[in-house]
Amino acid sequence: DGGITQSPKYLFRKEGQNVTLSCEQNLNHDAMYWYRQDPGQGLRLIYYSQIVNDFQKGDIAEGYSVSREKKESFPLTVTSAQKNPTAFYLCASRARTGIHQPQHFGDGTRLSIL
Amino acid sequence: LAKTTQPISMDSYEGQEVNITCSHNNIATNDYITWYQQFPSQGPRFIIQGYKTKVTNEVASLFIPADRKSSTLSLPRVSLSDTAVYYCLVGVGGGGNKLTFGTGTQLKVEL
Repeated sequence: DGGITQSPKYLFRKEGQNVTLSCEQNLNHDAMYWYRQDPGQGLRLIYYSQIVNDFQKGDIAEGYSVSREKKESFPLTVTSAQKNPTAFYLCASRARTGIHQPQHFGDGTRLSIL
Repeated sequence: LAKTTQPISMDSYEGQEVNITCSHNNIATNDYITWYQQFPSQGPRFIIQGYKTKVTNEVASLFIPADRKSSTLSLPRVSLSDTAVYYCLVGVGGGGNKLTFGTGTQLKVEL
């Protein structure tokens, strides 16, 4: 089945450590997104990419970095500069062509600080 | 980007129809209205999308008045499994565009 796979499901980070969250999609979508969700809150956009080798900052990009070397992959690195990284992270993808296309989401990675 | 406003929470009982309204006063001409459903510890799932008038699929209906400044998601005969957070989004068609999620509406369905 086509879909979006996020791994790991749970991740723990030590103080001062960078961690990378994986997001892979086999939907042949050009656009990919990373969101952060805090308890009881909506989703906030971290970064998004419309095409390979291109990405833009979202609303809360500070302390995060991304790469888009392959169409199917959009990893997110939570750097030590992100002082409050504990959250639920969601990856999404979306087709670029045709009529308005909804975003398809993975099942998230929950990041906690040790 | 069009900002959306939804009720924070709603309560209902099994078998009832639930209507959740979203306000988007500054919606642009090219914007579509999309609704998602999210269960705890899962990613949001697409429910329905529309541009104007009424759209219906197997799980919901979406009503959009002529001025498009609001929209109403209608869930017929809800069950306990419909307990979730529902998000209304407004954005331009075509992939790659930046969309903004609001805080959503927590729907609680009871027996």
